[in-house]
Amino acid sequence: ETGVTQSPTHLIKTRGQQVTLRCSSQSGHNTVSWYQQALGQGPQFIFQYYREEENGRGNFPPRFSGLQFPNYSSELNVNALELDDSALYLCASTVGTGLGYNYGYTFGSGTRLTVV
Amino acid sequence: DQQVKQNSPSLSVQEGRISILNCDYTNSMFDYFLWYKKYPAEGPTFLISISSIKDKNEDGRFTVFLNKSAKHLSLHIVPSQPGDSAVYFCAASVQGAQKLVFGQGTRLTINP
Repeated sequence: ETGVTQSPTHLIKTRGQQVTLRCSSQSGHNTVSWYQQALGQGPQFIFQYYREEENGRGNFPPRFSGLQFPNYSSELNVNALELDDSALYLCASTVGTGLGYNYGYTFGSGTRLTVV
Repeated sequence: DQQVKQNSPSLSVQEGRISILNCDYTNSMFDYFLWYKKYPAEGPTFLISISSIKDKNEDGRFTVFLNKSAKHLSLHIVPSQPGDSAVYFCAASVQGAQKLVFGQGTRLTINP
């Protein structure tokens, strides 16, 4: 089985621009979560998608938005980029029920976003 | 508000000895705890977990201890091997919640 694949691996954007990060979930997984990991910090939960619907959100502003597609792949969109958005963005997938946390998450290798 | 804290940014241990990584939490609602290991340029990989109804869970060389009264957990690796050199994250969750709350991580270096 394939794991979680994220693209691109690295990205440089200018402050104020918009960015889209992509995630292909592991085969058979229907739930995707996105995390932001700033330098020297642990990952912070952005949001989760279950069967194409947002199913939980962390303390991130609305300019962070997402999508999940019928094949359970997902996108993270960030508008009006700020310098503090520079971080590693991690996608994780699992087989979930939408009713609560499923602990069998598989993480991707992440997208390193640099905002200049 | 850092609900999960790993106060040691780094730890260096001799190969063959015991590595002990510590984690403290403040939210008494957390009922499940996990340890993840992360190599450079890779995503975190699940290592071991423990439910709040237990105080110890063992898997091979890895043992996690939970002290609920102190809101403290630790990961013991015995014996430590060079391949254990990585960043270790402690994480916690509340049943029914969608998110994991991670600590800042501890970089473990195993010296030959």
